[in-house]
Amino acid sequence: DAGITQSPRHKVTETGTPVTLRCHQTENHRYMYWYRQDPGHGLRLIHYSYGVKDTDKGEVSDGYSVSRSKTEDFLLTLESATSSQTSVYFCAISEERGALGQFFGPGTRLTVL
Amino acid sequence: GEDVEQSLFLSVREGDSSVINCTYTDSSSTYLYWYKQEPGAGLQLLTYIFSNMDMKQDQRLTVLLNKKDKHLSLRIADTQTGDSAIYFCAESPPISGGYQKVTFGTGTKLQVIP
Repeated sequence: DAGITQSPRHKVTETGTPVTLRCHQTENHRYMYWYRQDPGHGLRLIHYSYGVKDTDKGEVSDGYSVSRSKTEDFLLTLESATSSQTSVYFCAISEERGALGQFFGPGTRLTVL
Repeated sequence: GEDVEQSLFLSVREGDSSVINCTYTDSSSTYLYWYKQEPGAGLQLLTYIFSNMDMKQDQRLTVLLNKKDKHLSLRIADTQTGDSAIYFCAESPPISGGYQKVTFGTGTKLQVIP
């Protein structure tokens, strides 16, 4: 298995609070992604990174920001959590643009009350 | 935009073959993937196929691609209870810009009956 960890694995928070999720990889892959998984929607891309300090928006980026200060770490921040951001969040990594597929972390289940 | 569709549920008996189907709309799809997700876990890449291929076999897994009909299937031979999971089809067009855009289907839940 690709060396990808996510923390925390579970979190319950209240509306309006900031939340940061962490993705850590040991594969030295250049590309990293944050997805959310919701019933009936499959996986939707939130943000991605193509290198240290190089990030861009995905299809559902509103309300989220990211940072990547080191190759191995990709942080996802919800500046002010809302109930609509209750979801399971997955980090993924890929080699050189991912033609051979992406490798996923175990996920973080976030509940916003 | 791009769309990937799968049936929601499939039930098979242990030892039988399972066939999970997927259709996609993007005619420029170049890379097609099958992922497996077990409860409480992330997606695990099972296999992939390039659009210039018709078939790919990997042990118990056979992927068939009908590019004309934009149809992808995953056949699991001798299905076992450990194959019970959600299977996601995904597609990606040729790489452009800074990343590869992957569109995932909503997943097919495979139930294997002992």
